[in-house]
Amino acid sequence: TQLLEQSPQFLSIQEGENLTVYCNSSSVFSSLQWYRQEPGEGPVLLVTVVTGGEVKKLKRLTFQFGDARKDSSLHITAAQPGDTGLYLCAGEGSNDYKLSFGAGTTVTVRA
Amino acid sequence: GAVVSQHPSRVICKSGTSVKIECRSLDFQATTMFWYRQFPKQSLMLMATSNEGSKATYEQGVEKDKFLINHASLTLSTLTVTSAHPEDSSFYICSARVNEQFFGPGTRLTVL
Repeated sequence: TQLLEQSPQFLSIQEGENLTVYCNSSSVFSSLQWYRQEPGEGPVLLVTVVTGGEVKKLKRLTFQFGDARKDSSLHITAAQPGDTGLYLCAGEGSNDYKLSFGAGTTVTVRA
Repeated sequence: GAVVSQHPSRVICKSGTSVKIECRSLDFQATTMFWYRQFPKQSLMLMATSNEGSKATYEQGVEKDKFLINHASLTLSTLTVTSAHPEDSSFYICSARVNEQFFGPGTRLTVL
């Protein structure tokens, strides 16, 4: 399975600040998914991006898929303590639907 | 929709025993399910792909005789950890795919 580089590994910010998480690969994916995981729970799907150059907005979250479908970013505006969690990007292969996960970004939003 | 359940959520067993974990898609049918393992502070690692009606395909380095997978129906896949040892202690998560992958809540396995 392909490798996804996710950065930064840790992010600690004050409530109200903005943050961006990056997900990069040398491989092309048919789609890329972003998940959020709480401790002791399974990942919860936030969004799927499919088309190169695509931008999706989910309230204060903005997701971008690179033109070449190799990289993506997640931007959170005016972060809240409820945004705290582990954010994972995952690329899906075109033939076997397997997901390759990034290492994850632990986001902590301080009140 | 797209709810995946796992049972049990937590299990503690003695070294040498076998443990079965169930993964169910509650409101949809899934011909393909996936099993992952996650160690503390790490990301998810794919163990195997479970295909309904056929043998599972395992990722490199995963022992198929140790981690038995059975996909008995379109809504149920099971993972059996045979002769478990302390190093098998981990968080096991399944997913089912319908357009996208939806994950179960995970099973925490502790082998004493």
